[in-house]
Amino acid sequence: EVQLVESGGGLVQPGGSLKLSCLVSGFTFSNHWMTWVRQAPGREPEWVANIHKDGSEKYYVDSVKGRFNISRDNAVNSLSLQMNNLRVEDTALYYCARGWGLNGNYYAIDSWGQGTQVTVSS
Amino acid sequence: EVVLTQSPGTLSLSPGERATLSCRASQSTYGYIAWYHQKPGRAPSLLIYDVYNRASGVPARFSGSGSGADFTLTIDSLEPEDFGVYYCQQRSHWPWTFGQGTKVERK
Repeated sequence: EVQLVESGGGLVQPGGSLKLSCLVSGFTFSNHWMTWVRQAPGREPEWVANIHKDGSEKYYVDSVKGRFNISRDNAVNSLSLQMNNLRVEDTALYYCARGWGLNGNYYAIDSWGQGTQVTVSS
Repeated sequence: EVVLTQSPGTLSLSPGERATLSCRASQSTYGYIAWYHQKPGRAPSLLIYDVYNRASGVPARFSGSGSGADFTLTIDSLEPEDFGVYYCQQRSHWPWTFGQGTKVERK
């Protein structure tokens, strides 16, 4: 069974930092692009960042560029999101997600974690 | 950034009825459109990728169509588990984006 379990969320003041982690099981982690998606209450999901299967490529939405860093450790099936200089507008439920596709392409997200809540407030 | 506009905002239907959901992009997405379903308190789940391809395990009552910048998700004969919010999503231009959602509620 595919499982993605996030941790590391919490309450932080503006300007602070948090590191989210995602431990996965039930599939070959190194065969998949991975993604962080966030969703504020009552809003649509927002794509945050993608990382290639081997970590060689990373993509970020403009609003987090220079503040967030996505990384992975294929040896221990772990995905991370280091978030620095957090802003109130970063408040959301953060999902770890598995990318799916054929022939090396990334088509869509086919598995999601349960999410970890990040709240940025003074 | 590609903006996806979904309509209607809310669809009130009864089980057994057909649902037709629209997704319009601010520019062509070259067929790289997916659809997800989200129930309250749950993560979204993939229904359709690249316009009309059903994801593994998705029932045949779900179908996607469209081209260019206009896309449609059709649900034939709604089942009780189909109520919730539906999002379209594009992967043609970074950043990949979601539409604002269409809520399918029980009439």
